[in-house]
Amino acid sequence: GESVGLHLPTLSVQEGDNSIINCAYSNSASDYFIWYKQESGKGPQFIIDIRSNMDKRQGQRVTVLLNKTVKHLSLQIAATQPGDSAVYFCAEKDDYKLSFGAGTTVTVRA
Amino acid sequence: KAGVTQTPRYLIKTRGQQVTLSCSPISGHRSVSWYQQTPGQGLQFLFEYFSETQRNKGNFPGRFSGRQFSNSRSEMNVSTLELGDSALYLCASSWGTGTYEQYFGPGTRLTVT
Repeated sequence: GESVGLHLPTLSVQEGDNSIINCAYSNSASDYFIWYKQESGKGPQFIIDIRSNMDKRQGQRVTVLLNKTVKHLSLQIAATQPGDSAVYFCAEKDDYKLSFGAGTTVTVRA
Repeated sequence: KAGVTQTPRYLIKTRGQQVTLSCSPISGHRSVSWYQQTPGQGLQFLFEYFSETQRNKGNFPGRFSGRQFSNSRSEMNVSTLELGDSALYLCASSWGTGTYEQYFGPGTRLTVT
């Protein structure tokens, strides 16, 4: 089975609020993680990555947090906008490939 | 810089037929990976090509194959199509093998009837 998964399949967020999307992984040896965003009809879009020697990494309106102790990864989106509506996947470096979680569908309410 | 392109975007085939999908990576990227995306199984790794050689392969039957050309463009082929092969096939490029910052194309939606 997959070693990477997301806690919730769906998330509804009010426009302007912050979003937090969670992901749990099972392989404690994993050293690289990526968050992808997939909009309807499109391929996954790279958002941000983080290596296991970091706890936090920030991008434009996004922050990824890595808690290796509990094998947990989260993506925070600040001031969520309608364009943030999509499916979000976390991916884990799994030997020679990326292993993806099932995804969380984020819906932004106006 | 142009992104990853995939052709065709949509395809309808009949069981038993074969299909070839094409992927052009981002300029300068030499590694191409292919994934199958279905509602039930999510994104699953098919194989990776680098320098015209298959470097890694996922757990798919031999009906799934691919190749890479000297310009890094890649094709994947599925022979003897089954209904369960209906999926979105995505390719992702990166600058080198073992580089996991992968950029995806829009995918080819394959429907097998």
